[in-house]
Amino acid sequence: GENVEQHPSTLSVQEGDSAVIKCTYSDSASNYFPWYKQELGKRPQLIIDIRSNVGEKKDQRIAVTLNKTAKHFSLHITETQPEDSAVYFCAACFPGAGSYQLTFGKGTKLSVIP
Amino acid sequence: DAEITQSPRHKITETGRQVTLACHQTWNHNNMFWYRQDLGHGLRLIHYSYGVQDTNKGEVSDGYSVSRSNTEDLPLTLESAASSQTSVYFCASSVQVNTEAFFGQGTRLTVV
Repeated sequence: GENVEQHPSTLSVQEGDSAVIKCTYSDSASNYFPWYKQELGKRPQLIIDIRSNVGEKKDQRIAVTLNKTAKHFSLHITETQPEDSAVYFCAACFPGAGSYQLTFGKGTKLSVIP
Repeated sequence: DAEITQSPRHKITETGRQVTLACHQTWNHNNMFWYRQDLGHGLRLIHYSYGVQDTNKGEVSDGYSVSRSNTEDLPLTLESAASSQTSVYFCASSVQVNTEAFFGQGTRLTVV
């Protein structure tokens, strides 16, 4: 099955700085890569996603890049704010015939220091 | 508004008891999933379903079962609860396999 590695496990940045979280995946057939944000005590919520036919996608202060050759993708948050503090999960979707797996990384706890 | 809800939000049960966690969605999504979340392990897939009468095992399915008798519900049953099953459980649904998954609020289960 798919294996997703996520780094770092914790990340502290000063407010206004950028944050980068990196993930690698093992199955070259994976074609969908979402990122979820989970605030303390809340449910995970999608913040951005990218498909394998796209190299980069931006949404305001958030961007995701995908390198299919190297099998890694990254989340970039610019001009960080205290409300960006949360746990972020990357995931990879392996579309096997008759089966489906959305495999998550273990998460990155981001702390934005005011 | 369409939503996905889990019940109960918190439950304490004893080792060996059968426990059922409910998940109900009103989006009419075909795909539904159960994950467990543990510190240091992220979200791990327990079972999933592509539609009515369809169920599949995920990464950590031992000791769990699901049934899908209608589109809206995917109850998760712990056949004989064990302390290792103490966790936060999330249900999710999606319209297609490679689109956004919407998560429920979670159920915190403690097995004593």
